[in-house]
Amino acid sequence: NAGVTQTPKFQVLKTGQSMTLQCAQDMNHEYMSWYRQDPGMGLRLIHYSVGAGITDQGEVPNGYNVSRSTTEDFPLRLLSAAPSQTSVYFCASSYDYRDNEKLFFGSGTQLSVL
Amino acid sequence: SQQGEEDPQALSIQEGENATMNCSYKTSINNLQWYRQNSGRGLVHLILIRSNEREKHSGRLRVTLDTSKKSSSLLITASRAADTASYFCATAPSGNTPLVFGKGTRLSVIA
Repeated sequence: NAGVTQTPKFQVLKTGQSMTLQCAQDMNHEYMSWYRQDPGMGLRLIHYSVGAGITDQGEVPNGYNVSRSTTEDFPLRLLSAAPSQTSVYFCASSYDYRDNEKLFFGSGTQLSVL
Repeated sequence: SQQGEEDPQALSIQEGENATMNCSYKTSINNLQWYRQNSGRGLVHLILIRSNEREKHSGRLRVTLDTSKKSSSLLITASRAADTASYFCATAPSGNTPLVFGKGTRLSVIA
C-alpha cells in the first residue's frame, strides 16, 4: 500500500517554463488537495478536489491549474513558472471530505524556479 | 488566511521533559487536528479532536480543546530526541471547508 505518491521529488525550472507535478493515491480517497510550504508561512492551500471531475480553488491558486479525471490522480500544472513559485509542494488526500477527516500527505516536491 | 496560529514558534527542551504547544483559531470549527513534520518529509497526522470533545489522549500525546477561548494545546510527555520535528495545528470552519494549517512550532529535543 503506497499511500500518496508524488513525483518528481526535486525539480529545477527556468522562468517561463511549464511543468506538471504528479500526485497519485491508492486508498480510494474522495478528497485530494495541493499545498505549498514556504519558510515562515506554514502550508497554504492551492487547489482541492472532492471527487473525480470536481475541483475548486484554495487560498493561493494563481499560476496553477488542476484537473481530476480519475479518483486516483490529481496533477498540478504550473503554466508559466515564476521565481515566486519556488517552494515545497505537498499533495494530500482523505477518505471523507465532508467530515474533515485526517489527511494523508505525500513526501513532497521541492521546486526551484530560476 | 491562517485560521490556526501556533505558539511558541520554536521550543527547545531536554529529553525527558514535557513539551506544550498551543494553537489559537478565529472561527467556530468542526474539528481540530495536529500534525508532525520531520525535516524534509511530509506531514503525518497525530490526533483529531472534535468540537464537542475537551480532551483526547494518544500514547504520550494529550490534546485539549477550549472552544470558548478558541484554543487548543498539544502536550508531549517524557519527550525523546525522536520527537524533534515541526508540529502544526489544522482547523476547518465547517464540515465542507478544507483544512487550514497554522505556521507550526519547531520542537527540538536535546539528548
